[in-house]
Amino acid sequence: DIQMTQTPSSMPASLGERVTISCRASQGISNYLNWYQQKPDGTIKPLIYYTSNLQSGVPSRFSGSGSGTDYSLTISSLEPEDFAMYYCQQYDSSPNTFGAGTKLELK
Amino acid sequence: QVTLKESGPGILQPSQTLSLTCTFSGFSLSTYGMGVGWIRQPSGKGLEWLANIWWDDDKYYNPSLKNRLTISKDTSNNQAFLKITNVDTADTATYYCARINDNNSYYFDYWGQGVMVTVSS
Repeated sequence: DIQMTQTPSSMPASLGERVTISCRASQGISNYLNWYQQKPDGTIKPLIYYTSNLQSGVPSRFSGSGSGTDYSLTISSLEPEDFAMYYCQQYDSSPNTFGAGTKLELK
Repeated sequence: QVTLKESGPGILQPSQTLSLTCTFSGFSLSTYGMGVGWIRQPSGKGLEWLANIWWDDDKYYNPSLKNRLTISKDTSNNQAFLKITNVDTADTATYYCARINDNNSYYFDYWGQGVMVTVSS
């Protein structure tokens, strides 16, 4: 299985701050990488698919980039509703696997 | 509007079979490129993909649990199902179903709210 190492595991940040979450695959995944957000009530929604494509309805302050084994999710200016858990997911090979998550917390 | 909702037994005992139902609306599992996946999350932990079923009845399983999993669908009633045999406490988790629209790209674009399942004697 491809292992997805997500860093940091938690990140204190302030409103308006620019933050970047990283995801490293144990082998190249050819940009087959998605990002999801999970709110404290358990609700999960997609943010970015295929490395850099913004899901419909997701604010443009979210962006994704990367290639090979290294990928990142950037939020350009944190809003109150962005404090949540974030997960990456690779689908280059089965089983598709998720990172362990990054908790974005209010500083 | 696409919605999905999971249902399950809530609590069951070790060695029993867990049966989960995903009831959805706003799309059909007979439409080309559509799929439903099951993902679970133990409390305080990350996400684990379990299985997918596709419009053409193709099925994929996580090898770590493959022998215990069975995924199926009822297209006419807009439902997908997952059975996990011989459960133990490690199967205690919130279980999510989610839609995949492979006509766009492979990702879970709509998720249910999740259903909590506890395995306890």
